[in-house]
Amino acid sequence: QKEVEQNSGPLSVPEGAIASLNCTYSDRVSQSFFWYRQYSGKSPELIMSIYSNGDKEDGRFTAQLNKASQYVSLLIRDSQPSDSATYLCAVNRQGAQKLVFGQGTRLTINP
Amino acid sequence: KAGVTQTPRYLIKTRGQQVTLSCSPISGHRSVSWYQQTPGQGLQFLFEYFSETQRNKGNFPGRFSGRQFSNSRSEMNVSTLELGDSALYLCASSSDGGNNYGYTFGSGTRLTVV
Repeated sequence: QKEVEQNSGPLSVPEGAIASLNCTYSDRVSQSFFWYRQYSGKSPELIMSIYSNGDKEDGRFTAQLNKASQYVSLLIRDSQPSDSATYLCAVNRQGAQKLVFGQGTRLTINP
Repeated sequence: KAGVTQTPRYLIKTRGQQVTLSCSPISGHRSVSWYQQTPGQGLQFLFEYFSETQRNKGNFPGRFSGRQFSNSRSEMNVSTLELGDSALYLCASSSDGGNNYGYTFGSGTRLTVV
């Protein structure tokens, strides 16, 4: 079992709709959770971080964390073509000083 | 505030050669990590340095090494290059080892081994 799992996609969503990206992790002592966006040919860019159960909203982005189910998700509201990218879920265990990444979900927003 | 700076952006090397990649973290960040990204394996952790000390190391052969200087700048070295070392090498910096504020990545060095 991989430490961090994501559906590789591609996930295709019409412009203006909600894109939902999911991630599960296996290490129960994981404490910090991050979503990175990576455009083709570019480096990952941090867009959301979440540390406690529940929802965290930032503009059009909402991260959701459920530690009991070992599940993290990212919702993108009012999806725009510029949101088309690969979204990487990353998990950090307190004191581990390293991020474990999922394989990423490729998202395409169709105009 | 300047971001994470990696040099060079592109490198082409021959099998058996060695290579050194450089990273300057965001000012004030003392934690620097290195990752390798390939299409097949995704993003994999190489090592992390904090105040010139390696605190964590990933599952890579000893040909991969790194160091951090007193000004927090970091270098990684790959010796006896193999074709499979062709990848995007990413440096990331953090103020706290990624526990609370995550990591900011540089633009990467794309290494091609021929």
